[in-house]
Amino acid sequence: NAGVTQTPKFQVLKTGQSMTLQCAQDMNHNSMYWYRQDPGMGLRLIYYSASEGTTDKGEVPNGYNVSRLNKREFSLRLESAAPSQTSVYFCASSLDHYEQYFGPGTRLTVT
Amino acid sequence: AQSVTQPDIHITVSEGASLELRCNYSYGATPYLFWYVQSPGQGLQLLLKYFSGDTLVQGIKGFEAEFKRSQSSFNLRKPSVHWSDAAEYFCAVSLTGGGNKLTFGTGTQLKVEL
Repeated sequence: NAGVTQTPKFQVLKTGQSMTLQCAQDMNHNSMYWYRQDPGMGLRLIYYSASEGTTDKGEVPNGYNVSRLNKREFSLRLESAAPSQTSVYFCASSLDHYEQYFGPGTRLTVT
Repeated sequence: AQSVTQPDIHITVSEGASLELRCNYSYGATPYLFWYVQSPGQGLQLLLKYFSGDTLVQGIKGFEAEFKRSQSSFNLRKPSVHWSDAAEYFCAVSLTGGGNKLTFGTGTQLKVEL
């Protein structure tokens, strides 16, 4: 039981490049989330998926897209990376009672 | 709009001393309340949660938190801090019926002096 896994762990992009961050959970959770963490700002919700087949915007969705591929997988795509998207990205999942389980994070640098 | 405030950005305590980390929220109704801990380079781990009932909740690693409705607070406490408790601590809230979305505070960085 690996919990929530994320790939890659680290990534460096040039401005304008695209990439997809992958997230998978093996806990049979219904809901999945993408957050970004920036110094002094805590975690901010980018997108979430309450169930398979649905996605909704969070607090900071601009510049991102998501895909809930199936119940296990929830990917985050940056179509044209900008330096402002330099951050640590966390994926999380939850079943009920609002308790979320987090992955180890992806550290992204955009130059 | 809902918000979570952690007024202390950094706190330093001596090993063995007691600890209290503050968290205040701004909501119209009583939310679900959480404390998470993040060690350097790691993801977030849930310490404890409050949904309803007894306002003093026990968590892992010897932590506890008390919900005070009158003060809109959910402060985290530990009677005796260990060096391994050095980490960043986040308070988070979720509005009941809010689709499981968490709003996080900005975090408190805890340093433990030996």
